[in-house]
Amino acid sequence: DQQVKQNSPSLSVQEGRISILNCDYTNSMFDYFLWYKKYPAEGPTFLISISSIKDKNEDGRFTVFLNKSAKHLSLHIVPSQPGDSAVYFCAASLKTSYDKVIFGPGTSLSVIP
Amino acid sequence: NAGVTQTPKFQVLKTGQSMTLQCAQDMNHNSMYWYRQDPGMGLRLIYYSASEGTTDKGEVPNGYNVSRLNKREFSLRLESAAPSQTSVYFCASSPGSYTDTQYFGPGTRLTVL
Repeated sequence: DQQVKQNSPSLSVQEGRISILNCDYTNSMFDYFLWYKKYPAEGPTFLISISSIKDKNEDGRFTVFLNKSAKHLSLHIVPSQPGDSAVYFCAASLKTSYDKVIFGPGTSLSVIP
Repeated sequence: NAGVTQTPKFQVLKTGQSMTLQCAQDMNHNSMYWYRQDPGMGLRLIYYSASEGTTDKGEVPNGYNVSRLNKREFSLRLESAAPSQTSVYFCASSPGSYTDTQYFGPGTRLTVL
């Protein structure tokens, strides 16, 4: 059973609007969360992260929100740009398994000009 | 800096053949990882090496072996390839802490016939 879930395989958004990508996890012991972005034929690249002691982290157009009670996090992109079209992976890690990061299946975002 | 490099970029094998995927990083990172990416499954950890001289199994280690040749290089070997090993393989490295960003290579697309 997947410990990190991204239930929307794909999402389409108009340029300039907000993109909201969602992620749910099952293990309440996860204490660090990351988002990676992947373009075709390239490796994933780190986008933004959040510690479980916070509920929000912002970096330019990207904001990640964490709701620990719901075991849910979301990535907001405002405003969305065509260059944001990519696959976004949510990932979670455990302090006790510091070398292991569990990735979700990814959401493919298309930003339409 | 080249970051994380992987060779080859593409490979086609017949069932039963063996091959080694090479990975090198020039960022002086302690930890290195091998993942496979399959449609709908996200990135799954095959093996990782927390530091030079150590290796550990990840989520899907069966059918694979690894060697941490030195701090820079981490290779993945398929001794007897099977069609189920058709996938895209990514190598990654990180400084070592569980909160550290992982840096990914461009991937190797492997097809086993």
